[in-house]
Amino acid sequence: QVQLQQWGAGLLKPSETLSLTCAVSGGSFTGYYWSWIRQPPGKGLEWIGEIHHSGSTNYNPSLKSRVTMSVDSSKHQFSLKLSSVTAADTAVYYCARVEGWFDPWGQGTLVTVSS
Amino acid sequence: EIVLTQSPGTLSLSPGERATLSCRASQSASSSSLAWYQQKPGQAPRLLIYGASSRATGIPDRFSGSGSGTDFTLTITRLEPEDFAVYYCQQYGGSPLTFGGGTKVEIK
Repeated sequence: QVQLQQWGAGLLKPSETLSLTCAVSGGSFTGYYWSWIRQPPGKGLEWIGEIHHSGSTNYNPSLKSRVTMSVDSSKHQFSLKLSSVTAADTAVYYCARVEGWFDPWGQGTLVTVSS
Repeated sequence: EIVLTQSPGTLSLSPGERATLSCRASQSASSSSLAWYQQKPGQAPRLLIYGASSRATGIPDRFSGSGSGTDFTLTITRLEPEDFAVYYCQQYGGSPLTFGGGTKVEIK
């Protein structure tokens, strides 16, 4: 079955760039969109954006100016960069496969922004 | 943007009882482009329902989804101890993809 394993820096200072990567194993990478979703502590879920294995992207307008997603199809990996982070970007970040709905999900990475 | 409003915010029930969770969309983008997730503390959300009423692989049949257009419902017929969690709806009929604010099902 498809599994997603994600990693990246967990502690950032304001104005730095968040960088996370998600690796896909156990299933097809091509033909799908792959997403990033975040969840501030104690709050709900927010879709950040998605990237196709071909490199086509769709971003949430609320974050579009700061988000860059990339894909390395040869490694079955996709990545998220979020620039100029502030405390409001503190959240658990998840990667997930998109079929309209999200399934499966990565294990989540807590990213804390603090000076 | 399609805004999803979930109600109630918290549902206090006992094991064995029936849970009915609501998700209302601010507009209809696609008649059945709605999913439900369960999330337990410290875990990633788990897909329960897609297409408004199709159960995901491995989901017990006590979970069922219904509705179309702007009004959707998740029903848990008999609550098991492991069902106490937070439930989110998500729409994929319009962009950006959006989630509801969640309903917490807690033990009474």
